[in-house]
Amino acid sequence: NAGVTQTPKFRVLKTGQSMTLLCAQDMNHEYMYWYRQDPGMGLRLIHYSVGEGTTAKGEVPDGYNVSRLKKQNFLLGLESAAPSQTSVYFCASSYLGQGNQPQHFGDGTRLSIL
Amino acid sequence: GEDVEQSLFLSVREGDSSVINCTYTDSSSTYLYWYKQEPGAGLQLLTYIFSNMDMKQDQRLTVLLNKKDKHLSLRIADTQTGDSAIYFCAVPSSNTNAGKSTFGDGTTLTVKP
Repeated sequence: NAGVTQTPKFRVLKTGQSMTLLCAQDMNHEYMYWYRQDPGMGLRLIHYSVGEGTTAKGEVPDGYNVSRLKKQNFLLGLESAAPSQTSVYFCASSYLGQGNQPQHFGDGTRLSIL
Repeated sequence: GEDVEQSLFLSVREGDSSVINCTYTDSSSTYLYWYKQEPGAGLQLLTYIFSNMDMKQDQRLTVLLNKKDKHLSLRIADTQTGDSAIYFCAVPSSNTNAGKSTFGDGTTLTVKP
């Protein structure tokens, strides 16, 4: 049982390049989330999904797109990377239960945009 | 929306107690959470408290909840160097069924030998 797995762990991009970050969970969780973490700004929600085939915008969605074609995977795309998107990206998942359940996090993807 | 605030830094000596505080603006959720983030890793659930409780103890950890003042605290007894990490409080959103939470900015705990 691996929990939440993020790939890649590190990546350096040039401005204007595109890439996709992959998140996979093996806990059969309904909900999945993408956050970015920047110094002094805590965690900010980019996009989230409440189930297979659904996505919704979070707090800072601009410049990102997501897809959830399979329940276990949640992809985060950067179409045209910008230096402002240099950050650590975390994926999380949680299950549908009574009250809001705790979120399970991956170990992050460290992304640098030059 | 929900606003969650924490002080950014706390430094203690090994063996002392640490108290990390969190205030929030609005919540009617069932649980409130504390997460721990070690360097280079993601957040891990540390402990939680039901909203109908005012205290929960789990070995060296004590969580206090004051719902009237919307104040949550985490006390770590006999703090060790291995407790050095960033601690986040998380308050689930009350106006959504999407499982979303608002996280504080995190308190960096430094434990000095």
